[in-house]
Amino acid sequence: GQQVMQIPQYQHVQEGEDFTTYCNSSTTLSNIQWYKQRPGGHPVFLIQLVKSGEVKKQKRLTFQFGEAKKNSSLHITATQTTDVGTYFCAGITSGTYKYIFGTGTRLKVLA
Amino acid sequence: NAGVMQNPRHLVRRRGQEARLRCSPMKGHSHVYWYRQLPEEGLKFMVYLQKENIIDESGMPKERFSAEFPKEGPSILRIQQVVRGDSAAYFCASSGTEQSTDTQYFGPGTRLTVL
Repeated sequence: GQQVMQIPQYQHVQEGEDFTTYCNSSTTLSNIQWYKQRPGGHPVFLIQLVKSGEVKKQKRLTFQFGEAKKNSSLHITATQTTDVGTYFCAGITSGTYKYIFGTGTRLKVLA
Repeated sequence: NAGVMQNPRHLVRRRGQEARLRCSPMKGHSHVYWYRQLPEEGLKFMVYLQKENIIDESGMPKERFSAEFPKEGPSILRIQQVVRGDSAAYFCASSGTEQSTDTQYFGPGTRLTVL
């Protein structure tokens, strides 16, 4: 079945350092969404990417969708303590409505 | 402008009891998804429902688990004869359409603990 893997599983960074998480799907995706979940909280929608090679920015966050639409990345510039949480990608294949969530990357930011 | 509501937020059950988890989708949304999240893990799809219809329950265990979304009232995820392995956070999400490009909005979750 379809699998969506994320690396790394955990990342500790000093405040001010950059952070990147990578998402890889075993199948071609029609679109991908990214979510952030704070400890004890629920997933909060960040962004959706639909087009091959698409790049979107939200302040210090940059999202990319690979040319083959099988991988994606989230890059955070100059992390802050408010960035702490687990970042999930969720991909969906054409003709389905079921998002497959990645394994998540847990980010800790050390002040 | 209420978001997705779930109750209870925390539920404690003893082995063999029944657990009922409720989800009220965002106003105007008629599509509901249930996910399970084990500690330190990602979200696993369980079931997708529209009003009065189960569209996809491929992620739901065959036994003890059932879900419904009646014409009136919240969606309910029911777990019969709970076991310790059912302890997890259960999230529901709603969307306005079945389009894959539609955003799913998550509720705060129900954290089930089975003693």
